[in-house]
Amino acid sequence: GENVEQHPSTLSVQEGDSAVIKCTYSDSASNYFPWYKQELGKRPQLIIDIRSNVGEKKDQRIAVTLNKTAKHFSLHITETQPEDSAVYFCAGGTSYGKLTFGQGTILTVHP
Amino acid sequence: DAGITQSPRYKITETGRQVTLMCHQTWSHSYMFWYRQDLGHGLRLIYYSAAADITDKGEVPDGYVVSRSKTENFPLTLESATRSQTSVYFCASSADLNSPLHFGNGTRLTVT
Repeated sequence: GENVEQHPSTLSVQEGDSAVIKCTYSDSASNYFPWYKQELGKRPQLIIDIRSNVGEKKDQRIAVTLNKTAKHFSLHITETQPEDSAVYFCAGGTSYGKLTFGQGTILTVHP
Repeated sequence: DAGITQSPRYKITETGRQVTLMCHQTWSHSYMFWYRQDLGHGLRLIYYSAAADITDKGEVPDGYVVSRSKTENFPLTLESATRSQTSVYFCASSADLNSPLHFGNGTRLTVT
């Protein structure tokens, strides 16, 4: 089955800096890679996703890149704000119903 | 999303007791899922259901039972709770396998 590794487990940045979270996956059949944000005590919420036929996708301050050859994908957050502080999860699979999640990254943005 | 609700939000039970976590969605989504969330493990799929009366195992199904007699409900039962089942449980639904997951607010279960 799929195995998704996520790094780092914790990330601390100053407001305005960029943050990058990286994930690797093992199953070459995986073609769908969403990212979820989970604020303390709340539910995970989808923030961006990418499919394997696309190398990069942007949505305002958030971008995701995918390298199929190396089997890794990354989340990039620019101009970080304190409200970006949360746990971020990557996931990989062949569909939303067949996702394997990474272990999570605790992002802290210091004002 | 108010369309998927879990109950209870918090539950404390003793080892060996049976406990059922409830999940209800109002969107008529075909697919429903149960995940558990533990530190260092992210979210792990316990069971999922493609439609009423159709269920299948996920990554960590041992010790859990599910049923889906109605499309809108997908209860998760721990038949004999163990301390290792202390976790936060999330229910999710999606219209189909290519549609985003919508998560409930979660149930924090503590087994003493």
